[in-house]
Amino acid sequence: GNSVTQMEGPVTLSEEAFLTINCTYTATGYPSLFWYVQYPGEGLQLLLKATKADDKGSNKGFEATYRKETTSFHLEKGSVQVSDSAVYFCALSGSGGSYIPTFGRGTSLIVHP
Amino acid sequence: GAGVSQTPSNKVTEKGKYVELRCDPISGHTALYWYRQSLGQGPEFLIYFQGTGAADDSGLPNDRFFAVRPEGSVSTLKIQRTERGDSAVYLCASSLSTGGSTDTQYFGPGTRLTVL
Repeated sequence: GNSVTQMEGPVTLSEEAFLTINCTYTATGYPSLFWYVQYPGEGLQLLLKATKADDKGSNKGFEATYRKETTSFHLEKGSVQVSDSAVYFCALSGSGGSYIPTFGRGTSLIVHP
Repeated sequence: GAGVSQTPSNKVTEKGKYVELRCDPISGHTALYWYRQSLGQGPEFLIYFQGTGAADDSGLPNDRFFAVRPEGSVSTLKIQRTERGDSAVYLCASSLSTGGSTDTQYFGPGTRLTVL
């Protein structure tokens, strides 16, 4: 079956540090890949997505590249801010003809001033 | 317009009781999803509606769980004979089109269910 594996958190960084949150997946076919973010007290919201191999999704300074050869979709940001503190979820859908998303467990990011 | 709303935001009930959780999707969104999120986990799919019909209910854990969407907008998730293991945050999401793999889902804030 499909699965998404994320690095365990919390990830604790100082403001302006470089961020990487690793995400790898197992799926058949060519799924679409997503990063969702959940800020404290709010619902999940889509951060970025990529629908085919080598696509790069980007939003709010975050980027992730769909790497089919390594089945990865790592999230990066060059300079994090305190306001980026949240839980980040990697997800896939469209594997094996199923549109039902599969989510990772989430990675908590804490950014200190 | 408003986003996805869910009511109540919190629900505390006793083991064995019946509960209903409501989801109001974004107006015009035909696809609606229910998920369950346990502490420290990602959302786990329960059921997907396309319009009024349940297109995929393969994630419902057992027959105590049931969901309806009679007019193709508001949906209600119903849990009978609640158990302590049902305690979780129940999330609803909607999307504009037909549930394709590239659809953007818009999530509500969730209902936190606690079964004592």
